Amino acid sequence: GAGVSQSPSNKVTEKGKDVELRCDPISGHTALYWYRQSLGQGLEFLIYFQGNSAPDKSGLPSDRFSAERTGGSVSTLTIQRTQQEDSAVYLCASSMGRGGRSSYEQYFGPGTRLTVT
Amino acid sequence: QKEVEQDPGPLSVPEGAIVSLNCTYSNSAFQYFMWYRQYSRKGPELLMYTYSSGNKEDGRFTAQVDKSSKYISLFIRDSQPSDSATYLCAMSGVFTDSWGKLQFGAGTQVVVTP
Repeated sequence: GAGVSQSPSNKVTEKGKDVELRCDPISGHTALYWYRQSLGQGLEFLIYFQGNSAPDKSGLPSDRFSAERTGGSVSTLTIQRTQQEDSAVYLCASSMGRGGRSSYEQYFGPGTRLTVT
Repeated sequence: QKEVEQDPGPLSVPEGAIVSLNCTYSNSAFQYFMWYRQYSRKGPELLMYTYSSGNKEDGRFTAQVDKSSKYISLFIRDSQPSDSATYLCAMSGVFTDSWGKLQFGAGTQVVVTP
């Protein structure tokens, strides 16, 4: 079946502009996660959703970052007034649920490569 | 200091050799230990997972967890050029506030030469 998809695959934007990154999880997966991967760094947890709610937003780097999920499916990560340090690959993952194996068996999309000039 | 430490490599081995990868961690609350493989320009894919301590084998892959030393390992036997990728360790706790909140190592780049 279809995996996690993300769009766009690449995004180049000017400093100060807003960007929206989209994630389509695997059908039926109730949990959705956003991570950021900077060059030479591991994945940094940003936020997760269970259904449409985001109980834990502690990983978001600043108030310029926000995310929403609608209909228990598609999620959008928005970065306002982008800065050069926001340049990274933004990865989305989904899982069947939260708790135990459902949490760590996460399926990742290919990522959106964001470059802020 | 990061919660999960992993040598970024690169680690270059000849085809057929054993690849040995490891991570150390500082948070004793971690109970789930995973290894993900990431090919260039792709998202990570789950290779192995282990709950608590012990060994787990799956084909050419063996994962080991030593909680007393806070040290985990992944071994790849009979390595193939197709194993060339970045291998990331990841960990998580069992309490509800840490579900799904995976802590990743930086990843080790592995190159298997024919």
